[in-house]
Amino acid sequence: NAGVTQTPKFRVLKTGQSMTLLCAQDMNHEYMYWYRQDPGMGLRLIHYSVGEGTTAKGEVPDGYNVSRLKKQNFLLGLESAAPSQTSVYFCASSYFLDPTYEQYFGPGTRLTVT
Amino acid sequence: GQQVMQIPQYQHVQEGEDFTTYCNSSTTLSNIQWYKQRPGGHPVFLIQLVKSGEVKKQKRLTFQFGEAKKNSSLHITATQTTDVGTYFCAPPLVGNNRKLIWGLGTSLAVNP
Repeated sequence: NAGVTQTPKFRVLKTGQSMTLLCAQDMNHEYMYWYRQDPGMGLRLIHYSVGEGTTAKGEVPDGYNVSRLKKQNFLLGLESAAPSQTSVYFCASSYFLDPTYEQYFGPGTRLTVT
Repeated sequence: GQQVMQIPQYQHVQEGEDFTTYCNSSTTLSNIQWYKQRPGGHPVFLIQLVKSGEVKKQKRLTFQFGEAKKNSSLHITATQTTDVGTYFCAPPLVGNNRKLIWGLGTSLAVNP
């Protein structure tokens, strides 16, 4: 079991460029999440999904889009990157029958927008 | 909106000293989770507390959930260098157990 994996691990973008971050999980989890973490901050939810083909907005969704075409994958897109989107992005997943609601995190993607 | 505050923000201890971090919510909670994030790493689930007044132990870590279910604490006895990291409390959003509200965390540094 690889758990939750994220691609790429690091990326540098110029303002206005676009990119897609890929999250994959092999635990057959229904729920998947995208967070961003900035220095000295907790995690802020960008978007989440409760199942294949569904997505919903979190607390900081502006400037991001997501898709969940397959249960195991959750993609985060930046259409026109801005320096304010420089951050560490974490993907997480959880199992809908797990009573603890534990979230399993990927290793993160460090994104710098210049 | 729903908020959670953690104190202290930073804590420096000598190895062997005890450490406590507190989490306070603006609303009554159904449950609360705790996570640990090592420097450069990702958050890792530690525990979930559900019942009023609940106390759970994991080796040197003791977790408590307040009687009113509005606060929680994590106490580490005799800290070790392996305890270094940031500890987050994360209760669920009221009305949606699958969305977590994250505190800013308490960063623990341990001097050997």
